[in-house]
Amino acid sequence: GAGVSQSPSNKVTEKGKDVELRCDPISGHTALYWYRQSLGQGLEFLIYFQGNSAPDKSGLPSDRFSAERTGGSVSTLTIQRTQQEDSAVYLCASSPGWGGRETQYFGPGTRLLVL
Amino acid sequence: LAKTTQPISMDSYEGQEVNITCSHNNIATNDYITWYQQFPSQGPRFIIQGYKTKVTNEVASLFIPADRKSSTLSLPRVSLSDTAVYYCLGGGNQGGKLIFGQGTELSVKP
Repeated sequence: GAGVSQSPSNKVTEKGKDVELRCDPISGHTALYWYRQSLGQGLEFLIYFQGNSAPDKSGLPSDRFSAERTGGSVSTLTIQRTQQEDSAVYLCASSPGWGGRETQYFGPGTRLLVL
Repeated sequence: LAKTTQPISMDSYEGQEVNITCSHNNIATNDYITWYQQFPSQGPRFIIQGYKTKVTNEVASLFIPADRKSSTLSLPRVSLSDTAVYYCLGGGNQGGKLIFGQGTELSVKP
């Protein structure tokens, strides 16, 4: 079956512009996660959803970042007034449920470059 | 504060066994330990998962001591295609955040 897909695959934007990153999880997966990976760095957890609800938003780097999920499926990560330090790969993952035993299935990521 | 740590890098040669150890000092009772592999320009992918003692699948083994504060990923007879970054995830619910280790960059040489 289809895996996790993300769009766009690459995004170049100018400082100060808003960007929207999209994630399509595996059908039926109730949990969805967003991570950020800066060049040569590890995985920085941003936010997760159980269904359409995000219980904890404290992982988002600043109030310029927001995320939503509708219909228990597609999720959008929005970055307002982008800064150069926002340049990174943004990874989305989904899992059948939430919990320490769930395997996460990752998408290929969106590479964001802020000029 | 929950912290997951692992070596930044390791070198090996083809055919050798590679062991990568991760410490997860604040793992919760109901948390599992999961390892992921990441190739350049790809998202991480699942390798193996365990709760305690030893788990083995077709690609790796995972050793977890009784206190579960660490785990060791064992890759038998590595090949050049095993060159990747390996991430440890010790716990699935730490205040709502998932804390991956910083990743171990494994370089396999001929």
